[in-house]
Amino acid sequence: NAGVMQNPRHLVRRRGQEARLRCSPMKGHSHVYWYRQLPEEGLKFMVYLQKENIIDESGMPKERFSAEFPKEGPSILRIQQVVRGDSAAYFCASSPRNRLGGYTFGSGTRLTVV
Amino acid sequence: DQQVKQNSPSLSVQEGRISILNCDYTNSMFDYFLWYKKYPAEGPTFLISISSIKDKNEDGRFTVFLNKSAKHLSLHIVPSQPGDSAVYFCAASADNTNAGKSTFGDGTTLTVKP
Repeated sequence: NAGVMQNPRHLVRRRGQEARLRCSPMKGHSHVYWYRQLPEEGLKFMVYLQKENIIDESGMPKERFSAEFPKEGPSILRIQQVVRGDSAAYFCASSPRNRLGGYTFGSGTRLTVV
Repeated sequence: DQQVKQNSPSLSVQEGRISILNCDYTNSMFDYFLWYKKYPAEGPTFLISISSIKDKNEDGRFTVFLNKSAKHLSLHIVPSQPGDSAVYFCAASADNTNAGKSTFGDGTTLTVKP
């Protein structure tokens, strides 16, 4: 049973380009959470999705960022017109349901904007 | 306003001794607390959690203590092993409608010396 898979592991984008980060949850998991980690900081919640629904996007920047979790395929975090401040590690976690407890995280995508 | 604080950025301990990692929080609505361990270039790995109705939870070498009146929790690792060297994050949850929405501290880097 594969864990949470994120790709790419590393992504380099020039300022103004678009970044697409993918997250495939564990088998049987229909809840996905995205977090961002800036250097020397902890993880910051961005968005919580279930299949075809955004449940809580209170941590998402209001502009340029969007997320989806389609019926088929991975969850996608999309950053349009990237800026240097978007450089960070982006992690996703998945869960079979909305529950309190430890979550399984992927290994993350490290985005570098040059 | 940082709601979860880990005031010690780093901790160094001799192998076999006890490691004590501390965490303070300010939001009295937090009712569930977690510790994650993170190695470089990997996602966080869940270690142990505690509900606010308890003051102690133990799992093998790891024990978490919660002092609600002081809004303080700590993770004890006994005995410490070199493989425990990692960054440890404290996290707290308050939202049962989004149980995965945890607030993380900035982490403490633990180094266990052989």
